[in-house]
Amino acid sequence: DAGITQSPRHKVTETGTPVTLRCHQTENHRYMYWYRQDPGHGLRLIHYSYGVKDTDKGEVSDGYSVSRSKTEDFLLTLESATSSQTSVYFCAISESDRAQPQHFGDGTRLSIL
Amino acid sequence: GQQVMQIPQYQHVQEGEDFTTYCNSSTTLSNIQWYKQRPGGHPVFLIQLVKSGEVKKQKRLTFQFGEAKKNSSLHITATQTTDVGTYFCASDKVIFGPGTSLSVIP
Repeated sequence: DAGITQSPRHKVTETGTPVTLRCHQTENHRYMYWYRQDPGHGLRLIHYSYGVKDTDKGEVSDGYSVSRSKTEDFLLTLESATSSQTSVYFCAISESDRAQPQHFGDGTRLSIL
Repeated sequence: GQQVMQIPQYQHVQEGEDFTTYCNSSTTLSNIQWYKQRPGGHPVFLIQLVKSGEVKKQKRLTFQFGEAKKNSSLHITATQTTDVGTYFCASDKVIFGPGTSLSVIP
């Protein structure tokens, strides 16, 4: 498996609190992605990055922000978590562009009460 | 925007039966990818199709890309319990289909 580590793996928090999820890769891939997975919706792209400090929005970006200060790290932040953001979050990487195959991390299960 | 659909949503088969899932895009694609996700796991890349009419095989799995490059299919011959999971297609614009969940009855 590709060297992708997501942390934390599980988190329970309360509505209104800030939450940051971390994705760390050891593959030196240019592209990194954050998805959320909910029953019946498959995988939906939140944000992606195509280089250090270069990010763009996906189809469900409202309520989320991202940062990438180093090639290996991509952070997803929920500034003020809501119950609708309860989901499983996956980070993925691809080598050179968005059309390339992606390799996924193990996911973070986030529950917002 | 681009939409990617998959049918069926669920499929239950007896072990040894064949299985097919279909993927349709609202726009022409430069390529399409297929992923498998086991229950409780993460999506794993299976294959990428690029050419119109392309057919690729991986053991019992056969992948096809339509002539118009707007649809694709994944066919599994003689399913096994190890095939259980959800199969996703993904477009060149990182849009994933909703997936087809396969259950195999031993």
